[in-house]
Order: sequence, then structure tokens, then C-alpha cells
Amino acid sequence: DAGVTQSPTHLIKTRGQQVTLRCSPKSGHDTVSWYQQALGQGPQFIFQYYEEEERQRGNFPDRFSGHQFPNYSSELNVNALLLGDSALYLCASSFPRPSYGYTFGSGTRLTVV
Amino acid sequence: AQTVTQSQPEMSVQEAETVTLSCTYDTSESDYYLFWYKQPPSRQMILVIRQEAYKQQNATENRFSVNFQKAAKSFSLKISDSQLGDAAMYFCAYRYQTGNQFYFGTGTSLTVIP
Repeated sequence: DAGVTQSPTHLIKTRGQQVTLRCSPKSGHDTVSWYQQALGQGPQFIFQYYEEEERQRGNFPDRFSGHQFPNYSSELNVNALLLGDSALYLCASSFPRPSYGYTFGSGTRLTVV
Repeated sequence: AQTVTQSQPEMSVQEAETVTLSCTYDTSESDYYLFWYKQPPSRQMILVIRQEAYKQQNATENRFSVNFQKAAKSFSLKISDSQLGDAAMYFCAYRYQTGNQFYFGTGTSLTVIP
């Protein structure tokens, strides 16, 4: 049973560019959440998608946007990259009303230069 | 503001010994879950143990146990018989019972000394 798959594992972008990160949820899960983990920090909630809509959003600017596809996979898009966007981006999948059953992926390490 | 504080950036323990990681949190809600997650170098967050806030009994999972003090908003993790594979970053977190997001602390880096 495949867990959460994220791609790519690493990438380097230039300030001002745009980036798209991808996430395939665990089999059976239909809800996807995205987190940003800066170096030396705990993950911070970006947003959650369910039924192809953004269900909840954390304190992140509009440069961060997302999408969920009918097969429940998701994309995170970041526009006008800043140096401060360098971080590990984690995806977590779950059922819509989990008691605790979230599964995290191994993340995408984004470096902005 | 919802906050989780892990006051120990780094901890070390001898193999086979016991170590306790500290965590305090701040919330005005009464219904929530508490978690300890482990993040090894592979970067994947792995659930170690969870606790429902409405339960007074402390959760236990094999060598891992918690000391949950709701009034003090304290949630420490005890690792018994530490093993080399326990070396990792450990994050304390909570999530409201009807909520969608985790609130994480800044983590404690645990080193296990052979």
C-alpha cells in the first residue's frame, strides 16, 4: 500500500520564478494538506484541499496557491519566489474527518537562490 | 495565538536508558488531540503516540509513553530502553478535534549514544 508520494524530492529555483510541487495521497485518502517547514522550525500549515476545493488556509500570502484533482492528487504552486520560501514542503493526506490518521510524505526540499 | 513550546532544542541519551522530552502548549479550546511525531533524516513525519485531551489516562505505545497534564497544558514524551533507531527530530503537536491543521513545536533533536 503506497503511502504519500511527493515530487520532486529536491529542486532549486531563482528568486522571482514560479514553482509547482506535487503530491499523491495514500490510497483511500481524499484530503490533502500542505505544510512548510523552514530550517530549524516545525511545520506550518499552508492549506488543506478536499473535494477539489480549498477547505482551510493558514497564514500564507496569495502567492501560495493549490489545486486538487479528481483523483485526489494535489499541487502546490508558489509564485514570485522569495529567498524566504526556501524550506521543506510536506504533504499530508487523510480522510475528511480523521481522528488522527494523517500520513505524511517525505517532502520536497525547495531552495531559492 | 496557538503555540507549542519545546524548550529542549537538543537532547542526548545513552542506549538502553530513558529520556524525557518536554512540551507545553497554549490553547483556549477544550477538545483536541495531542501528538508526538518523529522526523528521521528521511524527512517523513512518523506518528509516535497520540493522546485525546478528554482522556485522563496517559497513552502508551510500547517503549513510548506520555505524561499529560491538561491543567498545566503539558505533554511530555518518555522513551524507555532507548535504541539507536530512536535518533531523530521529535515534534510535539496538537490539533483541534474538529479542526484541520496541526500546530507544531520547533522540535527536539534526540541523539542516542551507543
